Order: sequence, then C-alpha cells, then structure tokens
Amino acid sequence: TQLLEQSPQFLSIQEGENLTVYCNSSSVFSSLQWYRQEPGEGPVLLVTVVTGGEVKKLKRLTFQFGDARKDSSLHITAAQPGDTGLYLCAGGYKLSFGAGTTVTVRA
Amino acid sequence: GAGVSQTPSNKVTEKGKYVELRCDPISGHTALYWYRQSLGQGPEFLIYFQGTGAADDSGLPNDRFFAVRPEGSVSTLKIQRTERGDSAVYLCASSLTDRGNSPLHFGNGTRLTVT
Repeated sequence: TQLLEQSPQFLSIQEGENLTVYCNSSSVFSSLQWYRQEPGEGPVLLVTVVTGGEVKKLKRLTFQFGDARKDSSLHITAAQPGDTGLYLCAGGYKLSFGAGTTVTVRA
Repeated sequence: GAGVSQTPSNKVTEKGKYVELRCDPISGHTALYWYRQSLGQGPEFLIYFQGTGAADDSGLPNDRFFAVRPEGSVSTLKIQRTERGDSAVYLCASSLTDRGNSPLHFGNGTRLTVT
C-alpha cells in the first residue's frame, strides 16, 4: 500500500495570509492529485501533477510535485474565506487518499 | 451535464439490519469507485470496478460488505448485519478510465448512521 501523509492536520489563518500544506510518501508515484472537499459534498479535483519537479498554478493556488515524485505541496497566496475546506492529496492505481488538511480562513 | 448521483443522501438504520446504497455514475465512465469517509479523515478505498467486474475489492473491511455493478453503470454497495462502526459517509466516484491520472468525479455521498 502506498501511504500518503499530509501535514499539518489543521490550519487556521486570517484572510489575506499565505499558507502551504504538504503531502509526503516514502513511495514513488506516477502522478498525484489534489482535491478540495467542502462539508456535505464529495471531493472536487483541483489539479493532477505528473512530472517530477512540475509546478502548476491555478489562480492563487500553486502546486508542486517533488523531483523524486514522492511528495507534493500546495501553496495558497492571499487566502480567502472561500478557500476554506479539506484539502486532500491522492495517488496510486486505486487512488489512495491522505488524511487531509482542514484549512479555515477567517474573514 | 449530470454528475455522480448517490441515493439516499442519508440513511439511518438499526444495528443488525441490511442496507443498500446506490450510485449512478457519469454516463460513459467505465471505472467506478467506492470509498468510506469518517469525520475529518480522508476517503478510505473500498472497491473499484472496471466495467462490470470488481477489479480490486481489497478495501472491503469484511464479508458483510459487498458491491455489484451488473450492467457496467449503476452500482450498489450492500452491507449486511450493520454495526455501529459502519457509520460513516460512503462516497462513490467515477472516472473515464482506471488509469492512475484519470480524475475522479465524486458524488455527495450517503451518510449512514447505525443506531
């Protein structure tokens, strides 16, 4: 089983601040996906990273895949209350998920 | 277009009863996944189908859990002799293929409560 560990578990910040969440594994992944989940809803895909060292930007969100394809990070610039949610990374052929980081952005 | 639909959205049952949870995937998606999610945790893999067959059922916790997808579209997750520990949100997702980087489209889940 390819295990994904996410940190921190919880993050609470003020609107306008920046934040970074991490996804780490001892295994190599051919790709990793990041999802965001809001209460009462299913996870929604944000991005898929495929190439080691890859950086992808989605508006204020920046995703990076580690050179060795064992880790990934998500950086949010100038966070807004609408960024609040559970951020999940996932990978592997049957798409195993990490435990997630619960992000709360206070207005 | 229509997304993944799960019914019921909520199910309350008594310990020992049998329940069925239904998933209608996006039309044309060949892969279908079932996950279980506890509060504040990530989804835990249960089983996935490629077409009609269960390609991997290694996540099913025990033989009380069973899932079918007889015509390669709708899937039903069946739980026999429910226990309080089965209480969770059961998520279904579908994807165009079962390749590792094919994005999953999730339904909103069925919240199962066993009393």
